[in-house]
Amino acid sequence: AQSVSQHNHHVILSEAASLELGCNYSYGGTVNLFWYVQYPGQHLQLLLKYFSGDPLVKGIKGFEAEFIKSKFSFNLRKPSVQWSDTAEYFCAVVSTGGGNKLTFGTGTQLKVEL
Amino acid sequence: NAGVMQNPRHLVRRRGQEARLRCSPMKGHSHVYWYRQLPEEGLKFMVYLQKENIIDESGMPKERFSAEFPKEGPSILRIQQVVRGDSAAYFCASSLEGNGYTFGSGTRLTVV
Repeated sequence: AQSVSQHNHHVILSEAASLELGCNYSYGGTVNLFWYVQYPGQHLQLLLKYFSGDPLVKGIKGFEAEFIKSKFSFNLRKPSVQWSDTAEYFCAVVSTGGGNKLTFGTGTQLKVEL
Repeated sequence: NAGVMQNPRHLVRRRGQEARLRCSPMKGHSHVYWYRQLPEEGLKFMVYLQKENIIDESGMPKERFSAEFPKEGPSILRIQQVVRGDSAAYFCASSLEGNGYTFGSGTRLTVV
């Protein structure tokens, strides 16, 4: 069964600091990968996704993620965070042979301080 | 396009009552997924449905929980005889072919 690990549960950064959130998945087949953001009290919004092609994916709000197949990783990055990036971030994976269901990591709570 | 609509946004039930959560997928989407979010636990998959069919219910508790997606109308997640441990946010997502998921705003269930 596929699984997703997010190793950082809580991250606190100052504005303008760089961000990298780790995501590793366990599945040997072909996968599609996603990062979602959930602002307080709101629903999940898609930040970016990877299906195929260039392993460096650009998303909304200045986020990007790099798919490294050999490491089963899909880390999220942003060069300079803003206070408004305070939110919870979820990595998710769907395997092409896994019946279309998204499997989520446990999430990383990011707090950006002024 | 109204997106994925979930109602109610907030639902309070006493222990032993039934909870019905509704999800209307995006127009044209025929795949619906239900997830439960508990604090500090992320989102857990519950069930995946297509019109009139349950495709995968591996995440559904064996008792008290059921889901349907009829030919007409919204998908319904039904929880019978609710207990305090059912308190959570329940999110619905829909997709067209299973590779682009749009989430609703969720229903926050509180059992008192």
